[in-house]
Amino acid sequence: GEQVEQLPSILRVQEGSSASINCSYEDSASNYFPWYKQEPGENPKLIIDIRSNMERKQIQELIVLLDKKAKRFSLHITDTQPGDSAMYFCAARASSGSWQLIFGSGTQLTVMP
Amino acid sequence: EAGVTQSPRYAVLQEGQAVSFWCDPISGHDTLYWYQQPRDQGPQLLVYFRDEAVIDNSQLPSDRFSAVRPKGTNSTLKIQSAKQGDTATYLCASSLGERLFFGHGTKLSVL
Repeated sequence: GEQVEQLPSILRVQEGSSASINCSYEDSASNYFPWYKQEPGENPKLIIDIRSNMERKQIQELIVLLDKKAKRFSLHITDTQPGDSAMYFCAARASSGSWQLIFGSGTQLTVMP
Repeated sequence: EAGVTQSPRYAVLQEGQAVSFWCDPISGHDTLYWYQQPRDQGPQLLVYFRDEAVIDNSQLPSDRFSAVRPKGTNSTLKIQSAKQGDTATYLCASSLGERLFFGHGTKLSVL
């Protein structure tokens, strides 16, 4: 079945710098790629998503890039703030397995003041 | 608009005990998902429904886990005879279309 690999698992950056998280997927028919942010004790919250008919999407400080040929997508957080510290998960919707969302293993981001 | 509601928030069991989790999806969402999230890992799908029908339960341990959504609204996930390896947060999510919205989950500890 579909696998989604997410790296790095731990990321520490200085406040004001950029943070990048990378994911790769296996199923070339995957067509939807959301990103979720999860703070301790809270539910995962959708922060940005991209469909396969796009290569780039930006919402404020969040940028998502999708490279369908390489089967990779990435999240870039510009001008990071301490409030960006959280666990981030990427996911891909795969045609195998009845179009379910397959999640990566997560990236623990810490933004240091 | 109310989000996805789950109860209870926490459960602590001894091995061999049974437990049920309840989920109320966002009103109007036809698809409901149950995910298992072990500590420091990503959510892993157990089962999902569209209306009252099971679409995929291939990753639900059928010997001890069961899930129902009889009227296509609320859903219950039950674990019979819990094991220590079931310790995780159980997340319910709902969608109408692509975007999934998660509840706060039930954090289960099996001692």
